[in-house]
Amino acid sequence: DTGVSQNPRHKITKRGQNVTFRCDPISEHNRLYWYRQTLGQGPEFLTYFQNEAQLEKSRLLSDRFSAERPKGSFSTLEIQRTEQGDSAMYLCASSLRLAGSTDTQYFGPGTRLTVL
Amino acid sequence: LAKTTQPISMDSYEGQEVNITCSHNNIATNDYITWYQQFPSQGPRFIIQGYKTKVTNEVASLFIPADRKSSTLSLPRVSLSDTAVYYCLVGGRDGGSQGNLIFGKGTKLSVKP
Repeated sequence: DTGVSQNPRHKITKRGQNVTFRCDPISEHNRLYWYRQTLGQGPEFLTYFQNEAQLEKSRLLSDRFSAERPKGSFSTLEIQRTEQGDSAMYLCASSLRLAGSTDTQYFGPGTRLTVL
Repeated sequence: LAKTTQPISMDSYEGQEVNITCSHNNIATNDYITWYQQFPSQGPRFIIQGYKTKVTNEVASLFIPADRKSSTLSLPRVSLSDTAVYYCLVGGRDGGSQGNLIFGKGTKLSVKP
């Protein structure tokens, strides 16, 4: 399967713990996006990378959240001191952004986080 | 990024054609239109994308009028497995926005037997 993969698929943690999610984009895609989705809502943008550079962060991304894409391939999203309000589906998407082209994003299956 | 408006929900029966219309009155010259499908507990799945006129693939058709202020996703002969939430989004070509997608609440399509 050459699609976007995310691990783990489910994570249950206690409030105050740190969690880290991993996203492996489609090979050779230069852009990688993180979104968060809560029940009944559409996905909300959190941040994105072009290669290894983090180009934008949403104001939704508090200082407890950090994302990295160290070699321009996979990415990690870490949440420190988790709160119950962090419970959501965390989605990763990737795209190949070229000059003059559209930017079609392909999503992974998501990581479901439950904070107890 | 242009805001989109689409019905919250739609009902249909198996075998019928379903048309979901999305309004995007403030679409910019560089914006293209993309539709995603999402099943519960899964990530959105790309369905179709277009800029103007009509686009067709093996899954759906996308109709875009000349003024591009709306678009219609057409699903031929739906089945129970087409029950999902459908999102309409507009976004920029190269040189436009930073690329992040703004999702609304989507249209929840329920297909009945």
